[in-house]
Amino acid sequence: NAGVTQTPKFRVLKTGQSMTLLCAQDMNHEYMYWYRQDPGMGLRLIHYSVGEGTTAKGEVPDGYNVSRLKKQNFLLGLESAAPSQTSVYFCASSYLASAAELSGNTIYFGEGSWLTVV
Amino acid sequence: LAKTTQPISMDSYEGQEVNITCSHNNIATNDYITWYQQFPSQGPRFIIQGYKTKVTNEVASLFIPADRKSSTLSLPRVSLSDTAVYYCLVAPWETGANNLFFGTGTRLTVIP
Repeated sequence: NAGVTQTPKFRVLKTGQSMTLLCAQDMNHEYMYWYRQDPGMGLRLIHYSVGEGTTAKGEVPDGYNVSRLKKQNFLLGLESAAPSQTSVYFCASSYLASAAELSGNTIYFGEGSWLTVV
Repeated sequence: LAKTTQPISMDSYEGQEVNITCSHNNIATNDYITWYQQFPSQGPRFIIQGYKTKVTNEVASLFIPADRKSSTLSLPRVSLSDTAVYYCLVAPWETGANNLFFGTGTRLTVIP
């Protein structure tokens, strides 16, 4: 099972360049997320989506844009990369658990994308 | 949202049982407790989840006292491969992970 797949895995950008990180999930999940993780820090939510065609801001959205044109894909864009955006980026997905299932959300993460902005 | 507090780091020798306690004094009635594990250079992965009492799976056990103001993740007989960061999360069901706060977790180092 592929689960959550991110591309590219590694990328070096020059300041001011743009790029897009691609995320694909094959679990038919409604929710998708983009996080960043900096050394010694926890995961911080950048943007998320609750369904195809929807996006919303997370904790640290500035400098990023996202799109969810298809349910299985969630794209993260950097329009003008800055050194402060050097980080590891994780895409994740989850389904919306219901009280009837007597369980909370389980989030499935991708392997990460290492981005360096010089 | 209930905040969680857990130790920043722990060390353990191989073969020992490790207990990581998370406090969540403001946990709400409809909140679930979930633990994730993150190995270096990988994304976090789900370990265990519970609402009350004790939950056990093939990886770990989760102990939740009656007042639910804390929870303890128990890893039996740890090995070097259990070296990872462990995150405790509290959030209501029927909500997306946009309401989940990962924090910095507990960095467990298993020593030979």
